[in-house]
Amino acid sequence: EAQVTQNPRYLITVTGKKLTVTCSQNMNHEYMSWYRQDPGLGLRQIYYSMNVEVTDKGDVPEGYKVSRKEKRNFPLILESPSPNQTSLYFCASSPTGGRGYTFGSGTRLTVV
Amino acid sequence: KQEVTQIPAALSVPEGENLVLNCSFTDSAIYNLQWFRQDPGKGLTSLLLIQSSQREQTSGRLNASLDKSSGRSTLYIAASQPGDSATYLCAVIPQRRQLTFGSGTQLTVLP
Repeated sequence: EAQVTQNPRYLITVTGKKLTVTCSQNMNHEYMSWYRQDPGLGLRQIYYSMNVEVTDKGDVPEGYKVSRKEKRNFPLILESPSPNQTSLYFCASSPTGGRGYTFGSGTRLTVV
Repeated sequence: KQEVTQIPAALSVPEGENLVLNCSFTDSAIYNLQWFRQDPGKGLTSLLLIQSSQREQTSGRLNASLDKSSGRSTLYIAASQPGDSATYLCAVIPQRRQLTFGSGTQLTVLP
């Protein structure tokens, strides 16, 4: 089944403890991106990647890192999480030509 | 900067009604437009993708239209059902392929 898989689905962590949210797609898509969703603010892009080893900042990149060493994987790294990063996170992928996006099921992160 | 607006923000209808959700965008130089459905606390499910060369797409009881020149898209839902209750999001895909989302329409279909 074609899908974007995020792990974990739920995560509670403490301020300052480094964490990684994984994202993997099995559709051979070139483009991958991360979003966060917050009440009243909608979906905002954190980082995106046009292809392997090519990443760029979205609208809200502060406090996050990404890497794209393989085409299928695009992990999101929080080096020192803070409570304002408590949010619902989504990974998405798309083939070239803008032929539609596929989203993962989301990761609900709580930083205390 | 592209801005996407969805009206209404919330809508409540009785089961069986046909309804229209609206999406407008400020920059008509878009590549594609995609409609999603989101259930509370869940992921985004793609409903319809309209490519820039198309004017509409249909899937079952759903029909989406796109008018680039006027900066508008509509999602038509026929014979609504309680299971259609969700938030509907439109997303504009520009040439750079960074999605810009609207804030969504929260739909409630009453039995």
